[in-house]
Amino acid sequence: DGGITQSPKYLFRKEGQNVTLSCEQNLNHDAMYWYRQDPGQGLRLIYYSQIVNDFQKGDIAEGYSVSREKKESFPLTVTSAQKNPTAFYLCASSIEETGGTKNIQYFGAGTRLSVL
Amino acid sequence: AQSVTQPDIHITVSEGASLELRCNYSYGATPYLFWYVQSPGQGLQLLLKYFSGDTLVQGIKGFEAEFKRSQSSFNLRKPSVHWSDAAEYFCAVAFTGGFKTIFGAGTRLFVKA
Repeated sequence: DGGITQSPKYLFRKEGQNVTLSCEQNLNHDAMYWYRQDPGQGLRLIYYSQIVNDFQKGDIAEGYSVSREKKESFPLTVTSAQKNPTAFYLCASSIEETGGTKNIQYFGAGTRLSVL
Repeated sequence: AQSVTQPDIHITVSEGASLELRCNYSYGATPYLFWYVQSPGQGLQLLLKYFSGDTLVQGIKGFEAEFKRSQSSFNLRKPSVHWSDAAEYFCAVAFTGGFKTIFGAGTRLFVKA
């Protein structure tokens, strides 16, 4: 079955530590996204990538970094500069087409990050 | 600035009762409109979408939504709620030519027996 796989499901970060969240898709989608979800705030865009080797900052990129070396993979690193990293992180992808179809997003099951 | 408002943080309905979840957006032109559903600890799943044409759209799991341009609204409805519908529902908008999607804060639905 095609889909998006996020790992790990739960992750704990110590003070001053960088952690990397994995996101892999086998949908052959060009675009991939990272969102942060906090209670009562909906989803906020961290980074997105429309094509391999290219990505753009979203609304809350500070303290995060990404790479897009392969079409299937879009890992997110939460750096020590992110002072409040506790949240639920969601990865999504979408197909590159004209019109609204490119805005239909397919989501992974998420990674819950907590600070020790 | 473009925005999406879901006025109700949570709603409780009885099983078998009808449901309407509200969504309003702020944008100068007609956006692409979506409703997603999220079960606890899971990702989001698309329920339905509106791009153009018929303003009443049907989705999965018996849900429908109506786009009202004059009210900048895209309310989600279901005639008879099942206990399995308990989840969080997100309205989302995307803008023509863009990749970015803006999500509302969500409405949590509780279903009582």
